Amino acid sequence: DSGVTQTPKHLITATGQRVTLRCSPRSGDLSVYWYQQSLDQGLQFLIQYYNGEERAKGNILERFSAQQFPDLHSELNLSSLELGDSALYFCASSVGGQGFNVLTFGAGSRLTVL
Amino acid sequence: SQQGEEDPQALSIQEGENATMNCSYKTSINNLQWYRQNSGRGLVHLILIRSNEREKHSGRLRVTLDTSKKSSSLLITASRAADTASYFCATDGRAGTALIFGKGTTLSVSS
Repeated sequence: DSGVTQTPKHLITATGQRVTLRCSPRSGDLSVYWYQQSLDQGLQFLIQYYNGEERAKGNILERFSAQQFPDLHSELNLSSLELGDSALYFCASSVGGQGFNVLTFGAGSRLTVL
Repeated sequence: SQQGEEDPQALSIQEGENATMNCSYKTSINNLQWYRQNSGRGLVHLILIRSNEREKHSGRLRVTLDTSKKSSSLLITASRAADTASYFCATDGRAGTALIFGKGTTLSVSS
Protein backbone atom coordinates (compact mmCIF):
# COMPACT_ATOMS: atom_id res chain seq x y z
CA ASP A 1 0.00 0.00 0.00
CA SER A 2 1.58 3.24 -1.22
CA GLY A 3 -0.62 5.48 0.91
CA VAL A 4 -2.25 7.04 -2.15
CA THR A 5 -5.86 5.87 -2.45
CA GLN A 6 -7.75 5.90 -5.71
CA THR A 7 -11.41 5.04 -6.25
CA PRO A 8 -12.98 3.39 -8.08
CA LYS A 9 -10.51 0.72 -9.18
CA HIS A 10 -12.54 -0.23 -12.21
CA LEU A 11 -15.22 1.68 -14.06
CA ILE A 12 -17.19 0.71 -17.15
CA THR A 13 -19.37 3.30 -18.80
CA ALA A 14 -20.80 4.31 -22.17
CA THR A 15 -19.77 6.96 -24.66
CA GLY A 16 -21.13 10.39 -23.86
CA GLN A 17 -21.27 9.77 -20.13
CA ARG A 18 -19.45 11.56 -17.32
CA VAL A 19 -17.39 9.99 -14.55
CA THR A 20 -15.50 11.21 -11.51
CA LEU A 21 -12.27 9.65 -10.27
CA ARG A 22 -11.19 10.28 -6.72
CA CYS A 23 -7.76 10.41 -5.13
CA SER A 24 -6.58 10.78 -1.54
CA PRO A 25 -2.90 11.67 -1.35
CA ARG A 26 -0.39 10.16 1.04
CA SER A 27 -0.57 11.72 4.48
CA GLY A 28 1.53 14.89 4.57
CA ASP A 29 1.72 15.31 0.80
CA LEU A 30 0.40 18.61 -0.51
CA SER A 31 0.69 18.01 -4.23
CA VAL A 32 -1.50 15.78 -6.38
CA TYR A 33 -0.83 14.81 -9.98
CA TRP A 34 -3.05 13.06 -12.51
CA TYR A 35 -1.65 10.88 -15.27
CA GLN A 36 -3.35 8.91 -18.04
CA GLN A 37 -1.78 5.67 -19.26
CA SER A 38 -2.83 4.06 -22.51
CA LEU A 39 -1.07 1.54 -24.73
CA ASP A 40 -0.49 3.92 -27.63
CA GLN A 41 0.24 7.15 -25.74
CA GLY A 42 2.18 5.85 -22.77
CA LEU A 43 1.99 7.77 -19.49
CA GLN A 44 0.69 11.26 -20.14
CA PHE A 45 0.75 14.02 -17.54
CA LEU A 46 -2.65 15.68 -17.23
CA ILE A 47 -2.61 18.17 -14.37
CA GLN A 48 -1.05 19.00 -11.00
CA TYR A 49 -2.45 20.69 -7.91
CA TYR A 50 -0.51 21.98 -4.95
CA ASN A 51 -2.30 22.81 -1.73
CA GLY A 52 -5.56 23.47 -3.54
CA GLU A 53 -4.16 25.52 -6.41
CA GLU A 54 -3.51 24.39 -9.97
CA ARG A 55 0.28 24.22 -10.40
CA ALA A 56 0.91 22.74 -13.83
CA LYS A 57 -1.12 21.62 -16.79
CA GLY A 58 -0.22 18.96 -19.31
CA ASN A 59 -2.14 17.24 -22.07
CA ILE A 60 -5.53 17.55 -20.42
CA LEU A 61 -8.51 17.73 -22.75
CA GLU A 62 -11.11 20.45 -22.34
CA ARG A 63 -13.66 17.71 -21.58
CA PHE A 64 -11.63 16.87 -18.49
CA SER A 65 -11.40 18.93 -15.34
CA ALA A 66 -9.94 18.47 -11.90
CA GLN A 67 -9.81 20.10 -8.52
CA GLN A 68 -8.15 19.68 -5.16
CA PHE A 69 -10.25 20.20 -2.08
CA PRO A 70 -9.29 21.77 1.29
CA ASP A 71 -8.72 18.31 2.76
CA LEU A 72 -6.25 17.79 -0.14
CA HIS A 73 -8.14 15.00 -1.85
CA SER A 74 -8.57 15.49 -5.57
CA GLU A 75 -11.16 14.59 -8.16
CA LEU A 76 -10.74 14.19 -11.90
CA ASN A 77 -13.93 14.70 -13.89
CA LEU A 78 -14.16 13.21 -17.36
CA SER A 79 -17.18 14.19 -19.46
CA SER A 80 -18.57 13.45 -22.93
CA LEU A 81 -16.56 10.26 -22.83
CA GLU A 82 -15.20 8.77 -26.02
CA LEU A 83 -13.87 5.29 -26.75
CA GLY A 84 -10.35 6.71 -26.80
CA ASP A 85 -10.65 7.81 -23.18
CA SER A 86 -10.41 4.19 -22.09
CA ALA A 87 -7.20 4.03 -20.08
CA LEU A 88 -5.62 3.67 -16.68
CA TYR A 89 -5.79 6.91 -14.73
CA PHE A 90 -3.18 7.34 -12.04
CA CYS A 91 -3.03 9.77 -9.22
CA ALA A 92 0.31 10.51 -7.60
CA SER A 93 1.29 12.72 -4.69
CA SER A 94 4.39 14.44 -3.40
CA VAL A 95 5.34 16.59 -0.45
CA GLY A 96 6.38 19.60 -2.47
CA GLY A 97 5.06 21.15 -5.63
CA GLN A 98 8.18 21.19 -7.75
CA GLY A 99 8.74 18.86 -10.68
CA PHE A 100 11.82 17.30 -9.15
CA ASN A 101 9.89 15.78 -6.27
CA VAL A 102 9.61 12.02 -5.94
CA LEU A 103 6.09 10.83 -6.72
CA THR A 104 4.10 8.20 -4.87
CA PHE A 105 1.54 6.60 -7.14
CA GLY A 106 -1.83 5.09 -6.38
CA ALA A 107 -2.96 1.77 -7.84
CA GLY A 108 -4.92 3.49 -10.59
CA SER A 109 -8.49 3.61 -11.85
CA ARG A 110 -9.14 1.58 -14.97
CA LEU A 111 -11.76 3.25 -17.15
CA THR A 112 -13.44 1.35 -19.95
CA VAL A 113 -15.70 3.29 -22.30
CA LEU A 114 -18.01 1.13 -24.41
CA SER B 1 4.68 15.13 -25.45
CA GLN B 2 7.34 12.70 -24.22
CA GLN B 3 10.45 14.18 -22.67
CA GLY B 4 12.27 10.90 -22.16
CA GLU B 5 12.62 8.01 -24.55
CA GLU B 6 13.69 4.60 -23.26
CA ASP B 7 15.65 2.12 -25.27
CA PRO B 8 15.14 -0.75 -25.90
CA GLN B 9 11.35 -0.95 -25.86
CA ALA B 10 11.57 -4.57 -24.71
CA LEU B 11 14.32 -6.68 -23.21
CA SER B 12 14.35 -10.42 -22.43
CA ILE B 13 17.11 -11.96 -20.35
CA GLN B 14 17.84 -14.96 -18.15
CA GLU B 15 18.00 -14.85 -14.36
CA GLY B 16 21.42 -13.85 -13.18
CA GLU B 17 22.20 -11.70 -16.21
CA ASN B 18 22.51 -7.94 -16.11
CA ALA B 19 19.88 -5.70 -17.71
CA THR B 20 20.69 -2.27 -19.11
CA MET B 21 18.08 0.27 -20.13
CA ASN B 22 18.77 3.64 -21.64
CA CYS B 23 16.90 6.90 -21.55
CA SER B 24 17.38 9.97 -23.70
CA TYR B 25 15.72 13.32 -23.04
CA LYS B 26 15.44 16.63 -24.81
CA THR B 27 15.70 19.62 -22.48
CA SER B 28 17.80 20.58 -19.47
CA ILE B 29 16.76 18.94 -16.23
CA ASN B 30 17.06 19.32 -12.47
CA ASN B 31 17.03 15.59 -11.94
CA LEU B 32 16.15 12.32 -13.60
CA GLN B 33 14.21 9.56 -11.91
CA TRP B 34 13.57 5.91 -12.66
CA TYR B 35 10.33 4.17 -11.81
CA ARG B 36 9.16 0.59 -12.06
CA GLN B 37 5.68 -0.65 -12.91
CA ASN B 38 4.47 -4.19 -12.44
CA SER B 39 1.78 -5.13 -14.94
CA GLY B 40 -1.29 -2.92 -14.52
CA ARG B 41 -0.16 -1.52 -11.18
CA GLY B 42 1.00 1.87 -9.98
CA LEU B 43 4.52 3.07 -10.59
CA VAL B 44 7.08 2.76 -7.82
CA HIS B 45 10.03 5.11 -7.46
CA LEU B 46 13.42 3.41 -7.74
CA ILE B 47 16.13 6.05 -7.79
CA LEU B 48 16.73 9.75 -8.38
CA ILE B 49 19.90 11.25 -9.82
CA ARG B 50 20.52 14.97 -9.77
CA SER B 51 21.86 16.88 -12.75
CA ASN B 52 25.23 17.43 -11.02
CA GLU B 53 25.70 13.71 -10.30
CA ARG B 54 27.20 11.24 -12.75
CA GLU B 55 26.49 7.91 -11.09
CA LYS B 56 24.34 6.57 -8.28
CA HIS B 57 23.86 3.15 -6.73
CA SER B 58 21.00 1.57 -4.82
CA GLY B 59 21.29 -2.12 -4.07
CA ARG B 60 21.44 -3.93 -7.42
CA LEU B 61 20.65 -0.74 -9.32
CA ARG B 62 23.20 1.55 -10.89
CA VAL B 63 22.16 4.71 -12.66
CA THR B 64 24.39 6.94 -14.74
CA LEU B 65 23.66 10.38 -16.11
CA ASP B 66 25.41 12.19 -18.95
CA THR B 67 23.94 15.67 -19.21
CA SER B 68 26.14 16.54 -22.20
CA LYS B 69 24.49 13.73 -24.16
CA LYS B 70 21.14 14.15 -22.41
CA SER B 71 21.05 10.48 -21.58
CA SER B 72 20.85 8.12 -18.63
CA SER B 73 21.16 4.40 -18.14
CA LEU B 74 19.74 2.02 -15.57
CA LEU B 75 21.66 -1.16 -14.87
CA ILE B 76 20.08 -3.98 -12.89
CA THR B 77 22.70 -6.52 -11.89
CA ALA B 78 22.07 -10.22 -11.26
CA SER B 79 18.47 -10.01 -12.46
CA ARG B 80 15.74 -12.06 -10.84
CA ALA B 81 12.37 -13.20 -12.15
CA ALA B 82 10.81 -10.69 -9.74
CA ASP B 83 12.49 -7.86 -11.68
CA THR B 84 10.08 -8.53 -14.56
CA ALA B 85 8.30 -5.20 -15.02
CA SER B 86 8.26 -2.03 -17.08
CA TYR B 87 10.86 0.60 -16.27
CA PHE B 88 10.35 4.29 -16.93
CA CYS B 89 12.62 7.26 -16.81
CA ALA B 90 11.10 10.58 -15.83
CA THR B 91 12.45 14.08 -16.07
CA ASP B 92 11.41 17.52 -14.97
CA GLY B 93 12.12 20.63 -16.97
CA ARG B 94 14.28 23.45 -15.68
CA ALA B 95 11.06 25.35 -15.03
CA GLY B 96 10.21 22.71 -12.43
CA THR B 97 7.19 21.41 -14.25
CA ALA B 98 5.67 18.08 -13.37
CA LEU B 99 7.55 14.87 -14.13
CA ILE B 100 7.28 13.74 -17.72
CA PHE B 101 7.65 10.02 -18.35
CA GLY B 102 9.01 8.08 -21.28
CA LYS B 103 7.16 5.12 -22.80
CA GLY B 104 9.19 2.62 -20.84
CA THR B 105 11.25 -0.51 -21.31
CA THR B 106 9.51 -3.81 -20.68
CA LEU B 107 11.92 -6.21 -18.99
CA SER B 108 11.23 -9.92 -18.92
CA VAL B 109 13.48 -12.10 -16.77
CA SER B 110 13.05 -15.83 -17.19
CA SER B 111 14.22 -18.49 -14.77
